[in-house]
Amino acid sequence: EAGVAQSPRYKIIEKRQSVAFWCNPISGHATLYWYQQILGQGPKLLIQFQNNGVVDDSQLPKDRFSAERLKGVDSTLKIQPAKLEDSAVYLCASSLDIRYYEQYFGPGTRLTVT
Amino acid sequence: ILNVEQSPQSLHVQEGDSTNFTCSFPSSNFYALHWYRWETAKSPEALFVMTLNGDEKKKGRISATLNTKEGYSYLYIKGSQPEDSATYLCAFRSRAGNMLTFGGGTRLMVKP
Repeated sequence: EAGVAQSPRYKIIEKRQSVAFWCNPISGHATLYWYQQILGQGPKLLIQFQNNGVVDDSQLPKDRFSAERLKGVDSTLKIQPAKLEDSAVYLCASSLDIRYYEQYFGPGTRLTVT
Repeated sequence: ILNVEQSPQSLHVQEGDSTNFTCSFPSSNFYALHWYRWETAKSPEALFVMTLNGDEKKKGRISATLNTKEGYSYLYIKGSQPEDSATYLCAFRSRAGNMLTFGGGTRLMVKP
């Protein structure tokens, strides 16, 4: 079974630029999560989708971050404009359904904002 | 805001040493406690999902225990190997919601 795919793996941008990350979850997984992991801290949930609907985006900085999962499969996370404090690893995860324990993670995208 | 803490933040051991780390979490509204292993440049890998007070789980040389009444879990590695070098994350799930709250992780480095 193919795992969660993410691209790009690494990205370096200057502050005030825009960036987008892509995630392809495990086939058949209804629930998709985006996490932000800042160095030295644990991953923090940014947004959770169930199919193409948003379940929880309470920790998403909506003034600059946006995410979509239009067809209930792939998802993109965008930052516009980026700030220095957005430097982090952005992890995507998926699970079979919102009620299931197991979340499967992608390898992450490491973003550096200079 | 839920408080999930892990200690120590980092640990250096010699090959063959046994080691353990701690995850502390809220003792109320407990639903599940997850342990993940995250090697550099790879995906976090699920180790255990623990749901019952007194649970003990084992996978090879790695084992974990759970105490939901006092709000802690221990992860043990017996006879550490260099390939065990990784960050070990715990994550708490409460009855109040279905999101995971992660601790800051314990970074383990095993020297050959």
